[in-house]
Amino acid sequence: DTEVTQTPKHLVMGMTNKKSLKCEQHMGHRAMYWYKQKAKKPPELMFVYSYEKLSINESVPSRFSPECPNSSLLNLHLHALQPEDSALYLCASSQEPGGLGNQPQHFGDGTRLSIL
Amino acid sequence: AQKVTQAQTEISVVEKEDVTLDCVYETRDTTYYLFWYKQPPSGELVFLIRRNSFDEQNEISGRYSWNFQKSTSSFNFTITASQVVDSAVYFCALSVSKSGYGQNFVFGPGTRLSVLP
Repeated sequence: DTEVTQTPKHLVMGMTNKKSLKCEQHMGHRAMYWYKQKAKKPPELMFVYSYEKLSINESVPSRFSPECPNSSLLNLHLHALQPEDSALYLCASSQEPGGLGNQPQHFGDGTRLSIL
Repeated sequence: AQKVTQAQTEISVVEKEDVTLDCVYETRDTTYYLFWYKQPPSGELVFLIRRNSFDEQNEISGRYSWNFQKSTSSFNFTITASQVVDSAVYFCALSVSKSGYGQNFVFGPGTRLSVLP
């Protein structure tokens, strides 16, 4: 079982809906990440939170809005998504926000998102 | 800029064969970190190994072994006596971290390994 928990596992939504993806870890990690992965492609970094503050935004459209309420939780708020946003969304966490770059990222199972 | 290349898109082997997955990376940083992850059909990325740029020692873990060569910027992964459960997509990743900002992982395109019974 993964130590990073993502909910829901599957999500189908219309382009006008508002939904949120949730990610939780209890490993005491201080860096958390959102990735987007299209079929047969590698994960692409979207956002990085370091000590609950947004440190990296990889030019992600504003229809994706991340939130880090505390050190254990990471949300991704979705609004007015497009069909091309359908993908697997992966959350990850790592022990140190870059100071020790050899810390592996631990990934959740992901949320499979389908936009109708 | 960082880049990771995995030239093998798909590999099929018969169970018990040995297989090597290639990874070539590019970076101008002298301090960097290399990783291998396994992604089974369930979707979760499973961490396999990490290496920093100052440690060129090869490593063996059970049926898995890794060969890191800075001279050729390669970090290859070998599975000995492959098993059907090894079937997955394998990603090589490069990280050049900035203190306090979190890691920016650059993943290679992945190699899909199919181990046939």
